[in-house]
Amino acid sequence: AQSVAQPEDQVNVAEGNPLTVKCTYSVSGNPYLFWYVQYPNRGLQFLLKYITGDNLVKGSYGFEAEFNKSQTSFHLKKPSALVSDSALYFCAVRDNGGYSSASKIIFGSGTRLSIRP
Amino acid sequence: NAGVTQTPKFQVLKTGQSMTLQCAQDMNHEYMSWYRQDPGMGLRLIHYSVGAGITDQGEVPNGYNVSRSTTEDFPLRLLSAAPSQTSVYFCASSYSYQGSGSYEQYFGPGTRLTVT
Repeated sequence: AQSVAQPEDQVNVAEGNPLTVKCTYSVSGNPYLFWYVQYPNRGLQFLLKYITGDNLVKGSYGFEAEFNKSQTSFHLKKPSALVSDSALYFCAVRDNGGYSSASKIIFGSGTRLSIRP
Repeated sequence: NAGVTQTPKFQVLKTGQSMTLQCAQDMNHEYMSWYRQDPGMGLRLIHYSVGAGITDQGEVPNGYNVSRSTTEDFPLRLLSAAPSQTSVYFCASSYSYQGSGSYEQYFGPGTRLTVT
């Protein structure tokens, strides 16, 4: 069964500094990986995804993520944080194991990102 | 397009009552799913569906039923509400789960359920 872990409940960064939000995963086949953001009292919004190809994926709002197969990680990054980036971030994984039946999309526990001015 | 809609936005139930959370999408998405969000637990998958007439269990299916009679609708039924089901419920949909198409999910605004 697939799983995803976000080891940090909260990440605190000063505005203008680079940020990293960590995600590791476990799947039996090839992973499809996603990052979502949730603002207070809102649903989740898609940020970016890795399906195949380049290990560095670029997404919305200046975010990017690096897929590392050997470390089974998919960390979210941004070169220069903004106060408006403060939100709850979720990593998700789908196991593309080639099964004929549908694959579940499993989410991590979330990381709260706080950017201080 | 309205996207993914959920009703109601808020609901309070007494223990033992039953109810149905409604979810609809107008994007002709094949894949639909229900999650519950609890503090510190992230989003946990309750049930999902890959098309009309096909449903399957997720991580925490107990106490919930689903059906998918049309592509557009995916209602979640609480059979006998318990305080442990107090949560925020999100419905999501996406394009085909197979092939080379887009896989990201579109989420509804959520239903905040309290069971007393």
